[in-house]
Amino acid sequence: NAGVTQTPKFQVLKTGQSMTLQCAQDMNHNSMYWYRQDPGMGLRLIYYSASEGTTDKGEVPNGYNVSRLNKREFSLRLESAAPSQTSVYFCASSAVSGYFEAFFGQGTRLTVV
Amino acid sequence: DAKTTQPNSMESNEEEPVHLPCNHSTISGTDYIHWYRQLPSQGPEYVIHGLTSNVNNRMASLAIAEDRKSSTLILHRATLRDAAVYYCILRETGRRALTFGSGTRLQVQP
Repeated sequence: NAGVTQTPKFQVLKTGQSMTLQCAQDMNHNSMYWYRQDPGMGLRLIYYSASEGTTDKGEVPNGYNVSRLNKREFSLRLESAAPSQTSVYFCASSAVSGYFEAFFGQGTRLTVV
Repeated sequence: DAKTTQPNSMESNEEEPVHLPCNHSTISGTDYIHWYRQLPSQGPEYVIHGLTSNVNNRMASLAIAEDRKSSTLILHRATLRDAAVYYCILRETGRRALTFGSGTRLQVQP
């Protein structure tokens, strides 16, 4: 079972470059999320998508855009990367109802130099 | 979101029980208590959750105080693989996203 798959696993960007982090889930979940985790800190919510076609800002949305391409895929775009965006990025998904267990990907480690 | 307070770190010995505390004095009546853990270099994984009653699953037990202002995650026999950061999270009914604090780093000694 793949669960939540993130690509790439590692990336180094120069300041001002753009890139898109990809996330796909195969559990037929309606809700998907993007978090970032800075060293020694807990995860902070960037954006989430409660269902296909909807997105909402989380705690730290500045400098990011998202696209819920379809039910499976939720991408995160950095238009002009900054050193402050150096972090580990996690994508997650969850069902709308039931036990509400969230499943997380393995993370993308991004360094902006 | 209602806040949780956890110790920064705890130590345990292998094969002994571990009790991880969490205070949430401002919890509302409809907040669920969730626990996740994050192994080194991995994404968080679900451990257990509850509302009012104590809960058991194959990974752990969750003991919830009668006034719901605190809870305890119980690992019955710690293994080296249980070394991780454990997050206690309150989830408001109707809110899907989880708000993470800094958690408790559990070290397990052989």
